[in-house]
Amino acid sequence: AQKITQTQPGMFVQEKEAVTLDCTYDTSDPSYGLFWYKQPSSGEMIFLIYQGSYDQQNATEGRYSLNFQKARKSANLVISASQLGDSAMYFCAMSPKYNTDKLIFGTGTRLQVFP
Amino acid sequence: GAVVSQHPSWVICKSGTSVKIECRSLDFQATTMFWYRQFPKQSLMLMATSNEGSKATYEQGVEKDKFLINHASLTLSTLTVTSAHPEDSSFYICSAGGRLAGNNEQFFGPGTRLTVL
Repeated sequence: AQKITQTQPGMFVQEKEAVTLDCTYDTSDPSYGLFWYKQPSSGEMIFLIYQGSYDQQNATEGRYSLNFQKARKSANLVISASQLGDSAMYFCAMSPKYNTDKLIFGTGTRLQVFP
Repeated sequence: GAVVSQHPSWVICKSGTSVKIECRSLDFQATTMFWYRQFPKQSLMLMATSNEGSKATYEQGVEKDKFLINHASLTLSTLTVTSAHPEDSSFYICSAGGRLAGNNEQFFGPGTRLTVL
C-alpha cells in the first residue's frame, strides 16, 4: 500500500537559517508524483513544490528545494533562509499513480521559526 | 494559477441536520475533484473522489449515505453531510487536479470548518 511518512512532528529553526523537513514514501508504482504543501493556521493548503518520479533533477522553487533520492524513497524539503512567515504545518504528499490526482498525505511537520 | 473556492467557509449546525458544502473551480474545468477531511492537529484524509456525471468513489471506511457527493457540472462539486453529529465536526477541504489545469499542482479550496453542536 502507498504510504507517506514524516517522522518529525515538530522542528525549530532560527530565522535566516536553512531547515530540512524529512519525508519518505512507499509505493510499488514506477510513476508517481511528490508534493509539499504548507498549511498556516488559517487552514488553506499552499502548494510549494512538485517532483515527478521520472524527473532527473531535483525540483526548486525560490527558497524551496526538494532533495529527491529515488533509491531511498525520500523527498525531503529544504527551506533556505527561513523567515518568520514560514512558521506553519508542512505536509508531504504523493499522488500514487500516473493517472490519478488524488493525494496521500503524511502526518505533517510543524515548523517554528524564531528570531 | 487556478482557483478553487469553497462555500461556506464555516458552519455551525445542530445535531441531526444536514449541511451542504460547495466546491467550485473558478477558472478551469474539473472532471474530477477530491474531498478531504482534517481533524484538529491531524493530517488530511481523502474521503472520496468526485466524478462529473457519475457516482463518487469513496475511500474505505467512509459512509456513502452519510457523505453525499454530487458533481453537478465541470466546475461544481457538493458534499452534503447528512444527519450531522458532533463527531462529524471537522475541517473539510476539496481539491481539483493540476493536470486538468495545465500543471502538476493540486489546487485546494480554502476549506470549510464544520461544527456540529
